[in-house]
Amino acid sequence: SQTIHQWPATLVQPVGSPLSLECTVEGTSNPNLYWYRQAAGRGLQLLFYSIGIDQISSEVPQNLSASRPQDRQFILSSKKLLLSDSGFYLCAWNLAGGVETQYFGPGTRLLVL
Amino acid sequence: DQQVKQNSPSLSVQEGRISILNCDYTNSMFDYFLWYKKYPAEGPTFLISISSIKDKNEDGRFTVFLNKSAKHLSLHIVPSQPGDSAVYFCAASEGGSWGKLQFGAGTQVVVTP
Repeated sequence: SQTIHQWPATLVQPVGSPLSLECTVEGTSNPNLYWYRQAAGRGLQLLFYSIGIDQISSEVPQNLSASRPQDRQFILSSKKLLLSDSGFYLCAWNLAGGVETQYFGPGTRLLVL
Repeated sequence: DQQVKQNSPSLSVQEGRISILNCDYTNSMFDYFLWYKKYPAEGPTFLISISSIKDKNEDGRFTVFLNKSAKHLSLHIVPSQPGDSAVYFCAASEGGSWGKLQFGAGTQVVVTP
């Protein structure tokens, strides 16, 4: 069966510091991968999606970037965090090739102070 | 622009009764719809989905109805149980969009004894 991991679970960072959040999927090959953010009291906003290694698309202009160094690894980064980057970050995957249900990881809660 | 809307931010229902959650969308190209359930500080869990070629899909206590002409879908939970207390997200996907999901803002459901 497939599982998706995210770490860290919680992170408190000062404004201006760098960020690296990691997501790893097990039990499948060549998945589509997604990063979402949920701001307090709001819905899920798609940030990035990837259909393969080094194939990443950004949905919204922002202070963040994403990379996919391996087939089942997806990383969300920032060089300098802003207060507005605080939120709950979720990684998700689905099967490549069609419209398939997305399955989410446990999320990372980021607080920028 | 918000293409998927959940206009009721909260819903309170008595245990054993029916919960009805509503969702409206504006993009007529959406052809796949999903409902997710989310507990605080956890990733969303997939509940049920429906393709645009159907108008109803049922899975246990959960039934999703799709009205394409009205661009409206609803989720029925019967009977409601205390463990159903969570935030429910409606999501939609457009064919050929690499499975990217557009989410509504969510509805907080509280099931009371």
